[in-house]
Amino acid sequence: SQTIHQWPATLVQPVGSPLSLECTVEGTSNPNLYWYRQAAGRGLQLLFYSVGIGQISSEVPQNLSASRPQDRQFILSSKKLLLSDSGFYLCAWASGTGVDTQYFGPGTRLTVL
Amino acid sequence: AQSVTQPDIHITVSEGASLELRCNYSYGATPYLFWYVQSPGQGLQLLLKYFSGDTLVQGIKGFEAEFKRSQSSFNLRKPSVHWSDAAEYFCAQSGGSYIPTFGRGTSLIVHP
Repeated sequence: SQTIHQWPATLVQPVGSPLSLECTVEGTSNPNLYWYRQAAGRGLQLLFYSVGIGQISSEVPQNLSASRPQDRQFILSSKKLLLSDSGFYLCAWASGTGVDTQYFGPGTRLTVL
Repeated sequence: AQSVTQPDIHITVSEGASLELRCNYSYGATPYLFWYVQSPGQGLQLLLKYFSGDTLVQGIKGFEAEFKRSQSSFNLRKPSVHWSDAAEYFCAQSGGSYIPTFGRGTSLIVHP
């Protein structure tokens, strides 16, 4: 069966510090991968998606970036965090096209102080 | 552009009462529709999905949803709510692209 992991679960970082969140998927090949952010009381905001190694599409211009160095690994990064980067970050995977179900990881709670 | 509307930000029900969460979509062709549930501090979990066929779909945890093309709706229902159903519920659609469109979510509060 397929599983999706995210770490860390919780992170507190000062403004201006770098960020690296990691997501890995097991039990499937060539998944589509997604990074979402949820601000408090808000819905899901799609940040990045990837349909293959090295292929990243950005949905929202910001100080975040994403990389996919391996088929089942998706990394969200920032060189300098802003207060507005605080939120709940979710990684998800899906097979095939967007008609398929998305499977979400447990999320990372990021607080920028 | 595709959009999903969940008109209710919060819904409060008593335990044991019936529940209906509303969802309206905009897409010219037949969309692929989903309902997800999110417990506090956790990721989203699929409740049910509609691709084609029978317009009444059954999901996990006793939930069902009905696709109504004439009303562009895909409302989620449960005949008797349990306290453990308190969570955030998201409706989503996919028009065949890699990127699904999510509604803003409805927060369900269950009173004992």
